[in-house]
Amino acid sequence: EDKVVQSPLSLVVHEGDTVTLNCSYEVTNFRSLLWYKQEKKAPTFLFMLTSSGIEKKSGRLSSILDKKELFSILNITATQTGDSAVYLCASTSGSRLTFGEGTQLTVNP
Amino acid sequence: GAVVSQHPSWVICKSGTSVKIECRSLDFQATTMFWYRQFPKQSLMLMATSNEGSKATYEQGVEKDKFLINHASLTLSTLTVTSAHPEDSSFYICSASGGEGGETQYFGPGTRLLVL
Repeated sequence: EDKVVQSPLSLVVHEGDTVTLNCSYEVTNFRSLLWYKQEKKAPTFLFMLTSSGIEKKSGRLSSILDKKELFSILNITATQTGDSAVYLCASTSGSRLTFGEGTQLTVNP
Repeated sequence: GAVVSQHPSWVICKSGTSVKIECRSLDFQATTMFWYRQFPKQSLMLMATSNEGSKATYEQGVEKDKFLINHASLTLSTLTVTSAHPEDSSFYICSASGGEGGETQYFGPGTRLLVL
């Protein structure tokens, strides 16, 4: 059975801090690793990673995949209160997504 | 691009009634649509996968007679919760893939169902 594990499950930081969120996976026929941000509604897409070692960046967010060690990290630099959300990672096997439990990030002013 | 809508966003119903939730891809043709359920403080759990014009594939433990899925066109899928009970209260989210996005799934805003 495919499995995705995220850590930490919960994180509280102050504005301006840098955070690193972790995601490990055990997936048969792995295709890609995706990161989503979920606030009060449905998840919004952040990144899709398919190749090891290639960093994807979007503003203060960046992510990288290690297919040998089967994990990915999501970095957020200079955090803002608007970054407070649940961050989900998911692996794809074919068209199927398997989600991790998510990391609840709280950024305090 | 890649916008997915859901309707309704909120529904409250009495136990025993059936509830239909619509999922539409607004600016692309969704060859595959997915239905997820999310309970509070938990992650998304895939309920079923549907391809246009064919029967949905349900995940283990999901009753297909209770959660009826119809994917009648490349832009519309519906989930009907039949004879809803309080334990069916949850956040139901659809996603769609296809078009230029390939296999990337784009999520709808979700539907909160409360069964009294």
